[in-house]
Amino acid sequence: AQKITQTQPGMFVQEKEAVTLDCTYDTSDPSYGLFWYKQPSSGEMIFLIYQGSYDQQNATEGRYSLNFQKARKSANLVISASQLGDSAMYFCAMRFFNDYKLSFGAGTTVTVRA
Amino acid sequence: DVKVTQSSRYLVKRTGEKVFLECVQDMDHENMFWYRQDPGLGLRLIYFSYDVKMKEKGDIPEGYSVSREKKERFSLILESASTNQTSMYLCASSARERGSKETQYFGPGTRLLVL
Repeated sequence: AQKITQTQPGMFVQEKEAVTLDCTYDTSDPSYGLFWYKQPSSGEMIFLIYQGSYDQQNATEGRYSLNFQKARKSANLVISASQLGDSAMYFCAMRFFNDYKLSFGAGTTVTVRA
Repeated sequence: DVKVTQSSRYLVKRTGEKVFLECVQDMDHENMFWYRQDPGLGLRLIYFSYDVKMKEKGDIPEGYSVSREKKERFSLILESASTNQTSMYLCASSARERGSKETQYFGPGTRLLVL
């Protein structure tokens, strides 16, 4: 089974600054997708960004970008120009192309300070 | 927008009770999922369903069962609730797009406390 590792349990970031959330994964299968989700205190998981293992360019969605380094098996999320509303828990997840299952990391809590 | 709803946000039950958690999605998605979320463990898959009346066990199915009689509705059943089933339960759905960006969309979650 694939293993997703998020080594940062919690982070503080100043408003308007950028923050990078680490995610590494362990698999020998070459075909997979990587996802990041945001979970505010309300509890709902919100999909942020997706990167496919064969995608040539790093994914971007507004203030979110994914720093995908396939050889290092890492898929770090970068949030630019942090806002107070970015305070939440963030999860990295992976799914193989031939599977339904989405496997999650343990999450990183981000607190944005004014 | 995809809408996934769950029947309760908060639920308190007693040990031994039968508990039903309901999930409904309005996007005609084939796949539906039930996860539980515990601090430090992320989300763990309990069961999923890829079609009506079809189900497969996830990583932690023990103590749970599911029912999918209609495409839009997926129910999680705790036959005899125990205190170690106190947790946050999240339902998700996705369209069948294997091999590409099949994204799961989540409901708001149910926080279950078993006393």
